[in-house]
Amino acid sequence: GQQVMQIPQYQHVQEGEDFTTYCNSSTTLSNIQWYKQRPGGHPVFLIQLVKSGEVKKQKRLTFQFGEAKKNSSLHITATQTTDVGTYFCAGRNGGSQGNLIFGKGTKLSVKP
Amino acid sequence: NAGVMQNPRHLVRRRGQEARLRCSPMKGHSHVYWYRQLPEEGLKFMVYLQKENIIDESGMPKERFSAEFPKEGPSILRIQQVVRGDSAAYFCASSPRGTGETQYFGPGTRLLVL
Repeated sequence: GQQVMQIPQYQHVQEGEDFTTYCNSSTTLSNIQWYKQRPGGHPVFLIQLVKSGEVKKQKRLTFQFGEAKKNSSLHITATQTTDVGTYFCAGRNGGSQGNLIFGKGTKLSVKP
Repeated sequence: NAGVMQNPRHLVRRRGQEARLRCSPMKGHSHVYWYRQLPEEGLKFMVYLQKENIIDESGMPKERFSAEFPKEGPSILRIQQVVRGDSAAYFCASSPRGTGETQYFGPGTRLLVL
């Protein structure tokens, strides 16, 4: 079945450093979504990418969807302690009826 | 507009007991999804329901687990004869329409089986 893999599993950075997490799917995706989960919290939707090669920005966060629609990345510039949490990608294939398949997430810790 | 509500937030059960987890979707949302999250793990899809219908239960264990979303009232995830391996966080999400939509997650129910 479809698999969505994320790397790295953990990332420890100094405040102010950049951070990137990568998401790869075994199949072509119709779209990809990114979520953030704070420690002890619940996943919160960040963004959805639909088009091949799409790039979207939210302040210090940059999201990319690969040309082949099989991979995606989230890049955070100049991390802050408020960025701490686990970032999940979730892919969907099979058109609009496919369920979301979540990656295992990248847990980001930021040292002040 | 209240978000997705789940209760209880924490539930402790002894092995062999039943656990009932409730989820009220956001107002206007008729699609509900249940996920299970083990410690330090990602979210694993369990079941997708619309009002009175189970659309996809491919992620549900074949035994002891069931889910419903009645015409009135919250969606219920029921686990019978719980075992220690059922200990996890169970998240419910809702969306206004089909699975192509953004899913809004509830705060989760943390189930601990003693």
